[in-house]
Parts: sequence; structure tokens; C-alpha cells
Amino acid sequence: AQKVTQAQTEISVVEKEDVTLDCVYETRDTTYYLFWYKQPPSGELVFLIRRNSFDEQNEISGRYSWNFQKSTSSFNFTITASQVVDSAVYFCALSPPAGANSKLTFGKGITLSVRP
Amino acid sequence: DTAVSQTPKYLVTQMGNDKSIKCEQNLGHDTMYWYKQDSKKFLKIMFSYNNKELIINETVPNRFSPKSPDKAHLNLHINSLELGDSAVYFCASSQDRFSPHQPQHFGDGTRLSIL
Repeated sequence: AQKVTQAQTEISVVEKEDVTLDCVYETRDTTYYLFWYKQPPSGELVFLIRRNSFDEQNEISGRYSWNFQKSTSSFNFTITASQVVDSAVYFCALSPPAGANSKLTFGKGITLSVRP
Repeated sequence: DTAVSQTPKYLVTQMGNDKSIKCEQNLGHDTMYWYKQDSKKFLKIMFSYNNKELIINETVPNRFSPKSPDKAHLNLHINSLELGDSAVYFCASSQDRFSPHQPQHFGDGTRLSIL
């Protein structure tokens, strides 16, 4: 069975602070896929990034960076120099390889509040 | 230009009524989904269709019936609405069931409120 744990439920930071959102996953599959989604106050779900289990390279996109570590089953997300527009709920999700009942498992989400 | 569109955005209705939510995607994807997001923001899959065929049916009450007239549309009909059905329902699509590495694209959600 798959499981995604986002232990932090709410984080509040002041603008320009760096913040890391943790994600720990459990799976028995050797091939799997990890995702991060953002849900701003307007409510839509926005895809941010995907990582394959066989690619442990970290990724940076502007102020966003992702640290994937198979050894600790973690896929953490760091926002550098946070801005008010980063305020949102962030979901980490895990997908198994293709199969009859292959489905995306979401963590419970982390509510990030960035104060001016 | 909207990739996944669902209507209505808001739905306020009384207990016991029947309502439908429509979803359409113009991405050419084969697979579509319905998710329920509760008041604590927890996202849970309800159904998944691949090219009009039901492939995932979670433990959802029979009052919920999805229908896919073609692979670009997946509608959700709910009978005899109950207070516990109040939630945000998201439609999503992805390339196909054999490409789990491809991200799912979500609609803006339908906020259902039962009075």
C-alpha cells in the first residue's frame, strides 16, 4: 500500500524567509513517481513538479527547489525568499507504476502562510 | 483555452435533491478522474475512467454515479444528497492509464453545499 505523510500541517513565515515543506512516502514499488501540487486560496490545483524514482537529481526552478532522497523516502520542497503569493496549500503525491488500479495518493497537504 | 473545465463552480442545494456536475477536457487525454476534497483539504479519489471505461471505483456510495459519454467528458450525478456530501469535487485528466509519470491536470473544482 502507498502512503504519503506531510507531517507539517500549517507553516507561517514572514516574507523573504526560506521555508521547506516536508514529504515522506511509503511504497513497495521500485518504480514510482512523486508530484507536488499547489492549491492557492482561489482553489484550483496546480501541478508543480514530477520526479521519477530512478532520477535522484535535485531540481531548481527559480525560487523553488526540490530535494529527492530515496534513502530516506523523502521528497522535500523548499521555497527561497518566500513571497505572499506563495501562500497556498501544498500537496505531495505518489503514483505507482501503471497497473489496473494505479492511482495517485495525496498527502494531507501543508498550509503555508506568508506574511508581509 | 481551459484544459479541464467543470460546471458549475458552485452548487447550493437542499438535502434529498439530485444534482449533476459536468466535466470536459480538451487535452486529448484518455483518462479522467473525480476527486472529493473534504473540509480538511484531504483529497481522495472517487472514480477513474479510461476511454469511457470505469477503471477505479473507490468505496463511494451508490448515490454517486459517474458517466462518461466520450473520453473528453466525465460527469458526476449524485442522488439523494446528504449533508456529508458537502465538499469540493475536482475533475482531473491525465494522458492515459499507462502513463502514471504524466501529471494529472485538474479543473477548478465544484463547491457543493448541502443545506
